[in-house]
Amino acid sequence: DVKVTQSSRYLVKRTGEKVFLECVQDMDHENMFWYRQDPGLGLRLIYFSYDVKMKEKGDIPEGYSVSREKKERFSLILESASTNQTSMYLCASRATGGVETQYFGPGTRLLVL
Amino acid sequence: QQQVKQSPQSLIVQKGGISIINCAYENTAFDYFPWYQQFPGKGPALLIAIRPDVSEKKEGRFTISFNKSAKQFSLHIMDSQPGDSATYFCAAENYGGSQGNLIFGKGTKLSVKP
Repeated sequence: DVKVTQSSRYLVKRTGEKVFLECVQDMDHENMFWYRQDPGLGLRLIYFSYDVKMKEKGDIPEGYSVSREKKERFSLILESASTNQTSMYLCASRATGGVETQYFGPGTRLLVL
Repeated sequence: QQQVKQSPQSLIVQKGGISIINCAYENTAFDYFPWYQQFPGKGPALLIAIRPDVSEKKEGRFTISFNKSAKQFSLHIMDSQPGDSATYFCAAENYGGSQGNLIFGKGTKLSVKP
């Protein structure tokens, strides 16, 4: 079974802090994604990566950056957390080739005070 | 043109009833239409998906109906059960395009009452 794990289920941070969210997948998938999920807004794509050291902006990249140094790991960074970044963050991975299923992690609920 | 519009935002159904969730899209290049199911505290998981070469796909109690000319697709849950209570997301993708990514609807929260 594909497994996508996220480093924390819950995080509480202060405004202005630098926040790291880590995601690891164990199926050698080329593509990895970060979404945020907010009530009534659905899943919004922040960044994605289709290869090591490659990254592409999604729909809402402002205030975020990402890092992909190894194929299995994709990190989301909030350089200076703000209260409007309080949200559920979901990581996903997907293989390339054919119509492949996208697998999601369990999510990290981030509260910025 | 990249949007996928999903309705209703929330849905309450009695046990044994039929749950219907609708999605509409504009981009005629979309060629893959999955539905994801998300239980509280979990990430979304693929439920069922359809390609536009068929008008219907059924897996157990879950059916996708696809209307290419109307650019609409829907999820039908027959004999709905309390265990089906979850948030459902439709999605669409131009899989054949370059760097296709899933475009998600905003989700429907389904509650099935016993």
